[in-house]
Amino acid sequence: ETGVTQTPRHLVMGMTNKKSLKCEQHLGHNAMYWYKQSAKKPLELMFVYSLEERVENNSVPSRFSPECPNSSHLFLHLHTLQPEDSALYLCASSQEGGTEAFFGQGTRLTVV
Amino acid sequence: AQSVAQPEDQVNVAEGNPLTVKCTYSVSGNPYLFWYVQYPNRGLQFLLKYITGDNLVKGSYGFEAEFNKSQTSFHLKKPSALVSDSALYFCAVRERSGYSTLTFGKGTMLLVSP
Repeated sequence: ETGVTQTPRHLVMGMTNKKSLKCEQHLGHNAMYWYKQSAKKPLELMFVYSLEERVENNSVPSRFSPECPNSSHLFLHLHTLQPEDSALYLCASSQEGGTEAFFGQGTRLTVV
Repeated sequence: AQSVAQPEDQVNVAEGNPLTVKCTYSVSGNPYLFWYVQYPNRGLQFLLKYITGDNLVKGSYGFEAEFNKSQTSFHLKKPSALVSDSALYFCAVRERSGYSTLTFGKGTMLLVSP
């Protein structure tokens, strides 16, 4: 719909599992972002990639590991998560120097 | 540092009535300002933006927003609300100069009753 596709849409994982979230953008943008949206909290910016280089890492625990192999793809690798990491994880993209960002539909993550 | 305040957790309005969702911001210099909407279990959808020029910005689905520099506000408005407008609305800001990412408010839930 918006040109940013996230998979999977829903994920349930145990605390000892390893999983990855995938984001793909078809807009020709050169910046990509991971946000975390928890209930009753503001959107938290986690990581920013610009021209495939990580330019921002907002004190995110090391159990979250981003990867940006090219300007169209962004991954978030997850390992040994905690129940408080359960949230909606949103990917977004924009053109560096541009204005608005476009969001994917999110991955609803539940850690059990 | 830039910040956004949405003072209302929830706004209730009857269908057909005008609606306003409030937003104030703090940023150095002249900002870019945005409104996004989020429907249940969905991502954020871009509604409108202020870049420059006319202080009244028109966006998707009949929404508009008024930029007021002296009050550092960017309130979202619609002349006649629809039940389908019920959703979570986010105001966002970013600086014009240099490298900057969007900073979001905490969101305001809009409930439109039939």
